[in-house]
Amino acid sequence: DIVMTQSPDSLAVSLGERATINCKARHSVLYTSNNKNYLAWYQQKPGQPPKLLIYWASTRESGVPDRFSGSGSGTDFTLTISSLQAEDVAVYYCHQYYTVPWTFGQGTKVEIK
Amino acid sequence: EVELVESGGGLVKPGRSLRLSCTASGFTLGDYLMSWFRQAPGKGLEWVGFIRSKGYGETTEYAASVKGRFTISRDDSKTIAYLEMDSLTTEDTAVYFCAREGYRSGWYSAYWGQGTLVAVSS
Repeated sequence: DIVMTQSPDSLAVSLGERATINCKARHSVLYTSNNKNYLAWYQQKPGQPPKLLIYWASTRESGVPDRFSGSGSGTDFTLTISSLQAEDVAVYYCHQYYTVPWTFGQGTKVEIK
Repeated sequence: EVELVESGGGLVKPGRSLRLSCTASGFTLGDYLMSWFRQAPGKGLEWVGFIRSKGYGETTEYAASVKGRFTISRDDSKTIAYLEMDSLTTEDTAVYFCAREGYRSGWYSAYWGQGTLVAVSS
């Protein structure tokens, strides 16, 4: 199984400041034949289903604010919220769909400082 | 507009079975990979399994924790995907979500239902 490890487990950021979440995969999720990283980021608020933010590691889903960005390749990935807004308080998960079993990171809780 | 609605959850005793439904609208069900995920109370997300699109033979894959007990299927004429769960244990207590891939052969899950709660308890 590809274990996904996120850091930190939680972080508190002031409004308007940058939030950075890291995700490390035990095995590369880069498919060399198409040069795509099979890595997605989700945001989940209490009582709601996950919401897709980023797929292919860096492609922003339609309708997602451009303050959210994804980067990285192979085994190391980052989700950045460039200017934290109150509505961004949530738990964020990275997810690999490179191979079964599909796996998730343990989640990172983002709060306002 | 893509919409997914799960149903069929509830309280069930250990060892019993339950079938969840995921009613889809706004797209042709058979054209897309459909997945099931779950989230135990206060815990993170866990992939349960998926059924591939018609183009990929409608084959299925499962997490080790449910393989041999859970079965994913779909009825394209009814636009419903199913998760049949047998031999349930308390470890299966969770909110179950169905999801659709973002585009054909996209694989990642872009559209999610609101979820249905399954509680396994004696």
